Amino acid sequence: SAVISQKPSRDICQRGTSLTIQCQVDSQVTMMFWYRQQPGQSLTLIATANQGSEATYESGFVIDKFPISRPNLTFSTLTVSNMSPEDSSIYLCSVEDQEGMKGGEAFFGQGTRLTVV
Amino acid sequence: LAKTTQPISMDSYEGQEVNITCSHNNIATNDYITWYQQFPSQGPRFIIQGYKTKVTNEVASLFIPADRKSSTLSLPRVSLSDTAVYYCLVGDIIGGTDKLIFGTGTRLQVFP
Repeated sequence: SAVISQKPSRDICQRGTSLTIQCQVDSQVTMMFWYRQQPGQSLTLIATANQGSEATYESGFVIDKFPISRPNLTFSTLTVSNMSPEDSSIYLCSVEDQEGMKGGEAFFGQGTRLTVV
Repeated sequence: LAKTTQPISMDSYEGQEVNITCSHNNIATNDYITWYQQFPSQGPRFIIQGYKTKVTNEVASLFIPADRKSSTLSLPRVSLSDTAVYYCLVGDIIGGTDKLIFGTGTRLQVFP
């Protein structure tokens, strides 16, 4: 299993500003994933972050808006840039089981609840 | 990645068995079926995973017919604390990791 810590747990931000969300894992993992979950909705994958390479973004998400860093195998950051109220959402970090090679078992952080005013 | 379809919501009462069915008509040979549970203000939590037939753990059972085009998550004797959203996901585990694509999920409400 993996324990994931996200910071901050919540924040209220002014439109036009940027917020960087941190994700720390208690073990080394190859891939880390960032999701967005809007109120009452399912999770939407933003991007996959590999250590040592650029993140791979899903359709509808771009690096300029959601830059991601992955400096080592236990840490990643997601920045929400030039925020607007439409960015108000929960942002979650996730990693997948490495030892068991069960590709479907993932672990999630508690999420960062972002409100843009 | 195979798309999944599941009911938007279900209601039940404490002590009853709940069965949530998920359709995945385009499931590929290498795909596994995984279910997650999400409580409010928390990230999703892995419940159970299977490939075919039946899988059971301390939390739930997963029934998968021979054609694997659907699966059913069975929660025995639910309690109020089982009120949550349940997601069915299908993915390829070959190669170790695969990105998870979440569908709409089923919002289960358990009443006293």
